[in-house]
Amino acid sequence: QPVLTQSSSASASLGSSVKLTCTLSSGHSTYFVAWHQQQPGKAPRYLMKLKDSGSYNKGSGIPDRFSGSSSGADRYLTISNLQSEDEADYYCETWDTKTHVVFGEGTKLTVL
Amino acid sequence: QVQLVESGGGVAQPGRSLRLSCAASGFTFSSYGMHWVRQAPGKGLEWVAVIWSDGSNKYYLDSVKGRFTISRDNSKNTLYLQMNSLRAEDTAIYYCARVACTNGVCHIDYWGQGTLVTVSS
Repeated sequence: QPVLTQSSSASASLGSSVKLTCTLSSGHSTYFVAWHQQQPGKAPRYLMKLKDSGSYNKGSGIPDRFSGSSSGADRYLTISNLQSEDEADYYCETWDTKTHVVFGEGTKLTVL
Repeated sequence: QVQLVESGGGVAQPGRSLRLSCAASGFTFSSYGMHWVRQAPGKGLEWVAVIWSDGSNKYYLDSVKGRFTISRDNSKNTLYLQMNSLRAEDTAIYYCARVACTNGVCHIDYWGQGTLVTVSS
């Protein structure tokens, strides 16, 4: 079954850009992922679905500052023009017919 | 708009039971699979169970098999999680979440606000 690997933390300055990475385990490099944001004390929110081709579809109301891209087994979430409200935990998710839903361990993003 | 509202959380002693509910609105509930996902204090997201749109298939996290039961009532637009033989390690916020599928590939596209379950003597 797939394993998703994420860095535990990342930081970037207000107004800058940051690129978060989710890496699929060997043998699963063609899998799509979904990205979710969890602001402190809140429920997760769906951001986008991202294919191995790099094409992505965002959820309703997700700002243009959020974009996705792919390279091999890596799936990226890029946030441009960072705002204070972007400080959150970011999780990637994938689907497998055996394990159904798999989550990465999450990346805690700090906006400096 | 899509809304998922969980209820039924609370404090339970080890070995006891709780039933969680998730009331859905703003979409055709009977057309979507649904998950329960939990998050222990200070930890990441952990998938618990999924049920197909018509209730025909159900799958569980290994550690809850035989103790938890996912079900749904499409006439009431409601998802349930019956949790028996509760353990301290089941302590978490429990979220219901909608499944979106395209060509057999699925992901979560909406989340509820969560309900807290605390298992403690």
